[in-house]
Amino acid sequence: DTGVSQDPRHKITKRGQNVTFRCDPISEHNRLYWYRQTLGQGPEFLTYFQNEAQLEKSRLLSDRFSAERPKGSFSTLEIQRTEQGDSAMYLCASSFSGGASYEQYFGPGTRLTVT
Amino acid sequence: TQLLEQSPQFLSIQEGENLTVYCNSSSVFSSLQWYRQEPGEGPVLLVTVVTGGEVKKLKRLTFQFGDARKDSSLHITAAQPGDTGLYLCAGGRNAGKSTFGDGTTLTVKP
Repeated sequence: DTGVSQDPRHKITKRGQNVTFRCDPISEHNRLYWYRQTLGQGPEFLTYFQNEAQLEKSRLLSDRFSAERPKGSFSTLEIQRTEQGDSAMYLCASSFSGGASYEQYFGPGTRLTVT
Repeated sequence: TQLLEQSPQFLSIQEGENLTVYCNSSSVFSSLQWYRQEPGEGPVLLVTVVTGGEVKKLKRLTFQFGDARKDSSLHITAAQPGDTGLYLCAGGRNAGKSTFGDGTTLTVKP
């Protein structure tokens, strides 16, 4: 399967702990996006990378959130000192910057539950 | 903030019925995507529309982009239980970033 993969699929953590999620994009895609989705809502943009450069971060992304894409391939999203309000589905997507660059292909998501 | 409003929020119909769901905005988008999402999974891309007035068909699904590129509709003919899911529209303006609506949850009963 050459689609977008995310790991883990589910994460349960206690409030105050740090968590890290990984995303592996489609190999030929140079853009990678992170979104957050809560129940009853559409995906909410968090940040995106073109190659290894982080080009945009949402104002909603607090200082507790950090994302990296060190070699322009996989990416990690870390949440420090988790809060109950961080419970959500975290989605990763990738695209190719040429052509129809808004066509984003999503992974299966990581479901985070903060207790 | 560029908002995409989707309607209706929920739709429950019988197998074989036709339906239309809508995606509206006050902003102009370079392109608009429709996705379908099942519970616990990521959205799956269905189609991209780019040109004002464009109509695209995908089997029993017909997508239309408004002339002013501010709105779109999705029409499903003879709905089947397998069409059940959350239908999301997303609009692109700036390079890379897309804005999503909150979706229409469709239930097709056998």
